[in-house]
Amino acid sequence: AQTVTQSQPEMSVQEAETVTLSCTYDTSENNYYLFWYKQPPSRQMILVIRQEAYKQQNATENRFSVNFQKAAKSFSLKISDSQLGDTAMYFCAFMKARGSNYKLTFGKGTLLTVNP
Amino acid sequence: NAGVMQNPRHLVRRRGQEARLRCSPMKGHSHVYWYRQLPEEGLKFMVYLQKENIIDESGMPKERFSAEFPKEGPSILRIQQVVRGDSAAYFCASSPYGQSADTQYFGPGTRLTVL
Repeated sequence: AQTVTQSQPEMSVQEAETVTLSCTYDTSENNYYLFWYKQPPSRQMILVIRQEAYKQQNATENRFSVNFQKAAKSFSLKISDSQLGDTAMYFCAFMKARGSNYKLTFGKGTLLTVNP
Repeated sequence: NAGVMQNPRHLVRRRGQEARLRCSPMKGHSHVYWYRQLPEEGLKFMVYLQKENIIDESGMPKERFSAEFPKEGPSILRIQQVVRGDSAAYFCASSPYGQSADTQYFGPGTRLTVL
């Protein structure tokens, strides 16, 4: 079974600065997908970024980028130029890439607070 | 282009009552997934459905919980004889093809409180 670990229950950052959220996972699969989802106070789950394990290039979406280290099974999220609207719970998630495997396995989340 | 819709957003039930949670997937999506989020926890997979079929219900509690996705209308997650431990946020997600290459798009969730 897959497990996802987020070792930082809470983090804070000043507006306009950069912050990195950690995620590690355990799997015996070789091909899989990794995701970061954001859950703001509205509780809506919003996809932030997605990484295919077979791609060596780290995914980037505007101010959000990942550092994917497959051998270390590490998948950290970097948020640049932090904004007040980035305040949210951030969940790291894993999905197998075999056939119709569709279950997302989530970590427990990191609560990020962006301070003015 | 409406996203995944869930209703109600908040539902209060007394112990022993039934709870019905509804999910309408995004337009063009025929695959629905239900997840449960307990307080201070990440989301946990419950069930995966296609139209008129339950594909995987391995995450569903064995008793009192059921799900359906009829040919017409929304997907329904039904909890019979609710207990306090059922209090949680229930999220529905949808995808177009039901493949791991898909991205699952989530609805806003239904927050169930059992008194």
